Amino acid sequence: GESVGLHLPTLSVQEGDNSIINCAYSNSASDYFIWYKQESGKGPQFIIDIRSNMDKRQGQRVTVLLNKTVKHLSLQIAATQPGDSAVYFCAEAPRGQGAQKLVFGQGTRLTINP
Amino acid sequence: DAGVIQSPRHEVTEMGQEVTLRCKPISGHDYLFWYRQTMMRGLELLIYFNNNVPIDDSGMPEDRFSAKMPNASFSTLKIQPSEPRDSAVYFCASSFGKTSESRQFTQYFGPGTRLTVL
Repeated sequence: GESVGLHLPTLSVQEGDNSIINCAYSNSASDYFIWYKQESGKGPQFIIDIRSNMDKRQGQRVTVLLNKTVKHLSLQIAATQPGDSAVYFCAEAPRGQGAQKLVFGQGTRLTINP
Repeated sequence: DAGVIQSPRHEVTEMGQEVTLRCKPISGHDYLFWYRQTMMRGLELLIYFNNNVPIDDSGMPEDRFSAKMPNASFSTLKIQPSEPRDSAVYFCASSFGKTSESRQFTQYFGPGTRLTVL
């Protein structure tokens, strides 16, 4: 029979436009959140992180927003470039014992159109 | 720093053979993680170590899988005997784990080993 694989959400944007990638996390007690970027053939690469006592953090061309009320995390990428094409994962670290054991989302595939 | 180093980068083997994957974590990191990534199941945590001691191996699929960390700079993941369903990309990651570090929970991943079992 036909195999069933993960169906990654996909976001396609025009080069130069801004991208917003969303993530719903599961544990209201999570204390720390990370966004990773995974390019084809490579391991996940750290982009930006945010602690639960913040609601926004900015990096170079990237901004992470945290809404604890609805357990939602987003990654905004400004002026997207071809090199931004990748799968983006959010990850959460639960508070207390086991905090080192990150829980990863399924990922979103970002495609940049020329 | 060279980052997390994994070897080999690619491994093709036949069903029933033993496979050993190797990892060198970032120097000074206290935690080491082994993951498996497939299209079917995404990124799965297999096992992680703290100061060379296995803490949680609940993700290890079955007894055919074993992992060791004989010292702070080296870990192995062994599959014996290998099966076609073990085909995947295996990642090693490490993290600081020290509360004094601002990114104590951030895991840094290696480039992965792509395993194909025929």
